[in-house]
Amino acid sequence: DSGVTQTPKHLITATGQRVTLRCSPRSGDLSVYWYQQSLDQGLQFLIQYYNGEERAKGNILERFSAQQFPDLHSELNLSSLELGDSALYFCASSVGASGSMIDTQYFGPGTRLTVL
Amino acid sequence: ELKVEQNPLFLSMQEGKNYTIYCNYSTTSDRLYWYRQDPGKSLESLFVLLSNGAVKQEGRLMASLDTKARLSTLHITAAVHDLSATYFCAVDKLIFGTGTRLQVFP
Repeated sequence: DSGVTQTPKHLITATGQRVTLRCSPRSGDLSVYWYQQSLDQGLQFLIQYYNGEERAKGNILERFSAQQFPDLHSELNLSSLELGDSALYFCASSVGASGSMIDTQYFGPGTRLTVL
Repeated sequence: ELKVEQNPLFLSMQEGKNYTIYCNYSTTSDRLYWYRQDPGKSLESLFVLLSNGAVKQEGRLMASLDTKARLSTLHITAAVHDLSATYFCAVDKLIFGTGTRLQVFP
């Protein structure tokens, strides 16, 4: 158990809908990262937050947004969903003393999103 | 555009043997990451390499980085079944390779 929790574990929704995925980092970790893993696109880094501020952006679509709250949990919002958004979404956390992305990341179990 | 290539994509090896997974990337980068993913599971961070010539070892796995060649290697020594997993490298702002699926058999 990495100490990172993600909810829900599974999510099934329809095209055009909006969903929110939640991630709670390990106690004391300041950085949260979001990743998408699909058969088509492989593993992609989406975005990193450090202590409430966006720190790095990867291949995140404009339909997707994220935020990190004062209690350091993070939410990934996916809107206007398309079939191709079906994937596993992982979050990870790290101590991130400087938000520099060089600390060991601890991954959550993932949320499996299915868009029908 | 930064591209990351891993080879081989699939590796089947016998227990006790040594092998190396290669990770090539197309533009300069000051950091390289290795991860492991067990089938149906989440990811696990293995190594972060930050400088040319960096070498890190954990158990039977050793990772190295040659920034001039834009190459990292993940060397497996005396493989055991528990090492069966998919291994990913990533560079820079976490651009991932396609992964190498390792299967270790008796």
